[in-house]
Formats: sequence, C-alpha cells, structure tokens
Amino acid sequence: QKEVEQNSGPLSVPEGAIASLNCTYSDRVSQSFFWYRQYSGKSPELIMSIYSNGDKEDGRFTAQLNKASQYVSLLIRDSQPSDSATYLCAVTYTGNQFYFGTGTSLTVIP
Amino acid sequence: ETGVTQSPTHLIKTRGQQVTLRCSSQSGHNTVSWYQQALGQGPQFIFQYYREEENGRGNFPPRFSGLQFPNYSSELNVNALELDDSALYLCASSSGQVSSYEQYFGPGTRLTVT
Repeated sequence: QKEVEQNSGPLSVPEGAIASLNCTYSDRVSQSFFWYRQYSGKSPELIMSIYSNGDKEDGRFTAQLNKASQYVSLLIRDSQPSDSATYLCAVTYTGNQFYFGTGTSLTVIP
Repeated sequence: ETGVTQSPTHLIKTRGQQVTLRCSSQSGHNTVSWYQQALGQGPQFIFQYYREEENGRGNFPPRFSGLQFPNYSSELNVNALELDDSALYLCASSSGQVSSYEQYFGPGTRLTVT
C-alpha cells in the first residue's frame, strides 16, 4: 500500500516567518514529487516539482527531497497572509499513479 | 488560471443514477487524469488517459469509467451512483505519458448524490 503522509495541522506562523511543511512517503520506488496549494473551495494549484535529492528554490518557496529518508518538505520564506491555504504533497510511482497526502492547513497570522 | 476547464460546475444526482463529467485539457497537453476529492481529504487518483487510452488506474471500481477524445478532452462516467460518490471531481492535464510530468488542475465539478 503506497502512502503519502502529512501532518494535518493546523500550522500557524506569524507573518514574515518561515513555514515548514513536511511529507513522508512509504514506497522507495517513487519517481516524482510535487507540492500543491489549495485554497478553500478551489482546486489544487501547482507550486513546485522536484525530482532529485537536494533543494530546489523558486522565489519564496524551497522544496527539499531526501529519497533515502523518504521525505520531501516545503519551506515558505517571508510567509504572507495570502499563503494561508492547505498544502498538498503528491508522489508519483511507476504505472502512472499519483498519490496525494491529506494536506497540511497553514494559517499565516498578520 | 490553468486553461483546464470542467463542466458542469455543480451537479445533484440520486443514488443509482449515472453521471457524466467533462474536461477540456490545457492547450498542448495530451494527457488527462481524473481525481476524486472528498471533504477534508487529498485527491484520490481515479485514472489517467493518454492519447485516448487508459494509461493508469487507481483503486476505483469498474463503474468509474472514462474516455478521451482525439482533441484530448475527456469524460468521466460513474454508473450506479452511491452516496459516498459525493465529492469534488478534479481533472488535471499534462503534456506526456510519464507520470513525472507536472499536472494542472481544472476548477472541478462538485457532485452531490442524494
């Protein structure tokens, strides 16, 4: 059974702080990793993809992948109230299957 | 906006009925995936279509079926609706067969089964 686990939160951080979101996955035969943001009542919006070990930065977002430890994380620097949303981690496996975690709810407090 | 469109926006059906949901992929994308998202849960992968063929399937019963058309638009059909089928149905498009390609979601169809 392939699983993707995230802390459901809620995670609260003050405006301007760094928000750290974590995700673990159960199957070592994983290929690609994605972070999505989902506002209440809306569909998921792609933030970042990461395919190899290490860090990948895009603006205020940094994704970190450690395949040996089977975790992927997302850091949001200089958090803004507009970052308040649910963050979904997604992992793909051979056979073209996408698995999502249940999401972490983030609230940025002004 | 991703360029992925879905119709209808909302739908109410009765248990036992059948429903068809539609999705138009983003320009240049030839792969469409369908997901079911229950309240408070992450999206659950139903299946993926690439060039009109089913290209991967999640743990959903056969009463969930789909089609992809030559223009890469897609339909999701659900037969014998059950109350637990009430959810947000999401379509996502991408530009390739391999699952490593980034997927972009449409706005979703909210299905309510009574």
